[in-house]
Amino acid sequence: GENVEQHPSTLSVQEGDSAVIKCTYSDSASNYFPWYKQELGKRPQLIIDIRSNVGEKKDQRIAVTLNKTAKHFSLHITETQPEDSAVYFCAALGQGGKLIFGQGTELSVKP
Amino acid sequence: DGGITQSPKYLFRKEGQNVTLSCEQNLNHDAMYWYRQDPGQGLRLIYYSQIVNDFQKGDIAEGYSVSREKKESFPLTVTSAQKNPTAFYLCASSIILDRGYISNQPQHFGDGTRLSIL
Repeated sequence: GENVEQHPSTLSVQEGDSAVIKCTYSDSASNYFPWYKQELGKRPQLIIDIRSNVGEKKDQRIAVTLNKTAKHFSLHITETQPEDSAVYFCAALGQGGKLIFGQGTELSVKP
Repeated sequence: DGGITQSPKYLFRKEGQNVTLSCEQNLNHDAMYWYRQDPGQGLRLIYYSQIVNDFQKGDIAEGYSVSREKKESFPLTVTSAQKNPTAFYLCASSIILDRGYISNQPQHFGDGTRLSIL
């Protein structure tokens, strides 16, 4: 069935370093890929999304890259700050127009 | 997003009891969704609705029911048939530009309801 694999499940970086989270998807027809940030006990918040007609999108310290041939996309956070610590989820649009979520990556940024 | 309100924040269910989780949005969004989140897991889709008086099952609909009598409201009932209801429940909404792909617009989430068994 459709699925989205997300790696790593946990990631620890020093403040100021970069963090990269990777996702692969199974449905080659997927054309929409959002990323959500969820702080403990709170709602997921959309931080960036990308559509299949572009290969990269940036928003300040956050960027997402998409490789449709390999069916994978990645989140890049530069100059990490302690407030970036959270769980990050990737998702891909599956068959029937439903979002399929990855399992999440717990990012810890150490001061 | 202040436009989506879920209540209550915490809910406890007794054996054999049905409970209803509320979700209201004032964003004028056509589509609404219910997700279940278990600890350390991603979000799994329970039900979704594109239009009033219509809804579809998601991946884990067994033991749940919904209604969509108003555009603004999409309540979820966790029935006694759901044997493992303890989870964090999230409601979301989005606009629809293409009814063939209801989820290709950003989904905005409520604050969630945490359901536990007594």
